[in-house]
Amino acid sequence: GQQVMQIPQYQHVQEGEDFTTYCNSSTTLSNIQWYKQRPGGHPVFLIQLVKSGEVKKQKRLTFQFGEAKKNSSLHITATQTTDVGTYFCATERGYQKVTFGTGTKLQVIP
Amino acid sequence: DTEVTQTPKHLVMGMTNKKSLKCEQHMGHRAMYWYKQKAKKPPELMFVYSYEKLSINESVPSRFSPECPNSSLLNLHLHALQPEDSALYLCASSGDGQITEAFFGQGTRLTVV
Repeated sequence: GQQVMQIPQYQHVQEGEDFTTYCNSSTTLSNIQWYKQRPGGHPVFLIQLVKSGEVKKQKRLTFQFGEAKKNSSLHITATQTTDVGTYFCATERGYQKVTFGTGTKLQVIP
Repeated sequence: DTEVTQTPKHLVMGMTNKKSLKCEQHMGHRAMYWYKQKAKKPPELMFVYSYEKLSINESVPSRFSPECPNSSLLNLHLHALQPEDSALYLCASSGDGQITEAFFGQGTRLTVV
């Protein structure tokens, strides 16, 4: 099936800098979820967005769902070393068929 | 209890062996999933069980055989695997609410020799 693409694939930032990852689909998405996977760990759910143009915040993290529901972004303000990991968007391609985007690996340099 | 427990954490098996991966959750979730994750890749959906019935099989080879004995347990039976099947196998569960948050187990790191 069609995979949701994320850019960039990798990002190195200095601690304190901001970071953004983008999730893009050629088809309309019913919803978008974001997960974080620490090195050696398992994916952990961060948030779900459902409505067109929706914006949600969690402390330093801001999540957006595009107006056309074909893209989404995750923005981290003032990164910390604890933000290190791979960030995946995921979407339901059919009932309970949760499939993951390609992921963005974030490295934070202290 | 918001945990999904997977056993074993690590498994090394030969190509002629038969082994099973186990997954357990006590959150009352009715959907349970198996994902396969290769290094530096996203988790790839294999199977979905909904209310203890297999609802999705993503064209997975028959050497992988899932089983859902009851609403809390999910097994993945392995037989005659290939070295390219070495990966992290993740189990997940989710509820029926509006937010379909998936809770993942720690995974089983499988090596086929």
